[in-house]
Amino acid sequence: GAVVSQHPSWVICKSGTSVKIECRSLDFQATTMFWYRQFPKQSLMLMATSNEGSKATYEQGVEKDKFLINHASLTLSTLTVTSAHPEDSSFYICSAYAGTYGYTFGSGTRLTVV
Amino acid sequence: AQTVTQSQPEMSVQEAETVTLSCTYDTSESNYYLFWYKQPPSRQMILVIRQEAYKQQNATENRFSVNFQKAAKSFSLKISDSQLGDTAMYFCAFMGRVGGNQFYFGTGTSLTVIP
Repeated sequence: GAVVSQHPSWVICKSGTSVKIECRSLDFQATTMFWYRQFPKQSLMLMATSNEGSKATYEQGVEKDKFLINHASLTLSTLTVTSAHPEDSSFYICSAYAGTYGYTFGSGTRLTVV
Repeated sequence: AQTVTQSQPEMSVQEAETVTLSCTYDTSESNYYLFWYKQPPSRQMILVIRQEAYKQQNATENRFSVNFQKAAKSFSLKISDSQLGDTAMYFCAFMGRVGGNQFYFGTGTSLTVIP
């Protein structure tokens, strides 16, 4: 139990385009989801906290207009990277609290902007 | 703000041997959670072990155990009988009771188990 499915696992996009990453809780309801960014050989940095039915809370330094988060249901949160640029290339991971199972992570999305 | 420090960027251990990964943290909270996560090459984050600060007894999960020293704000991970599948990046993480249940991760330790 307590699986978070993240898609796509890998995406390449052209500079200036937008990319949407989905994070879906398969067997539990997630009122709160977290989005992290991880650069190669570095730690996970929290970008934003996604709350179902309300606006996301962004960490300092994260551009909310570039990284649009939508949490419209108890099982789905999406992160859209708008007008992507090469510096947005990174590994993005979502996480959700699954009650007694604790916190579970998605398998991550590797974004490459060319 | 909470900080988590892992002072060992890379470590290696012979298969079947024991290795200890270090982690220190800084917080003003008295009740919190500490975690060790494993990230293998697949990049999937896998929970290894969890410790609640109010529990004095060190957590143990099979070959994995921790040495939790609350006063020293230290939380080390001991891996016994190391296996090749233990090769991964290991992250120490802190979660307080305030601030929205977010993780604060250390910079990670890359562990290689040598056959």
